[in-house]
Amino acid sequence: DQQVKQNSPSLSVQEGRISILNCDYTNSMFDYFLWYKKYPAEGPTFLISISSIKDKNEDGRFTVFLNKSAKHLSLHIVPSQPGDSAVYFCAASESNNDMRFGAGTRLTVKP
Amino acid sequence: NAGVTQTPKFRILKIGQSMTLQCTQDMNHNYMYWYRQDPGMGLKLIYYSVGAGITDKGEVPNGYNVSRSTTEDFPLRLELAAPSQTSVYFCASDSSYNEQFFGPGTRLTVL
Repeated sequence: DQQVKQNSPSLSVQEGRISILNCDYTNSMFDYFLWYKKYPAEGPTFLISISSIKDKNEDGRFTVFLNKSAKHLSLHIVPSQPGDSAVYFCAASESNNDMRFGAGTRLTVKP
Repeated sequence: NAGVTQTPKFRILKIGQSMTLQCTQDMNHNYMYWYRQDPGMGLKLIYYSVGAGITDKGEVPNGYNVSRSTTEDFPLRLELAAPSQTSVYFCASDSSYNEQFFGPGTRLTVL
């Protein structure tokens, strides 16, 4: 069962514009959400996180929004840069060590 | 710090062979994890450990074994390799259960 879903396998945006990556989850017990970024031939690297007691967390150009009632979170990147081109994974956990990942969205930022 | 290191980077196995994927971290993290990533899929947790001497099953443990005799090392053992185990394997560690640091991955092909 896919508890964390990223329904868009790919996204292409122009440099300087906003990138919005979406993620949906089914388990209402998830209380911590993370975004990871992955370049080819490398392991994922942590980008930003949010706990279920918040609805927004910002870190520079990256903002994560959480809508608990809709079981939806999104990652906004503003402004997008070519170096942001990577695969982005959404992940969620339930106060334990079992983190569930989405299938990833490949972001391409065109110069 | 080297972070999380994994060996080997690539390996081809024949059906029925066995091998051990090595993982070492130098950040003194208590928590360590093994994931596999199949094409077009997110990472799935195989096994995890919350400290030396303690291991537990994740989402997809069948066909694998782990041990954790030291804080630094968390090897993953495949006893009888099967084509379904063809995947990219990532080891990760963290000091809490949330922001995980990943190794570069091991690409395994079973023919």
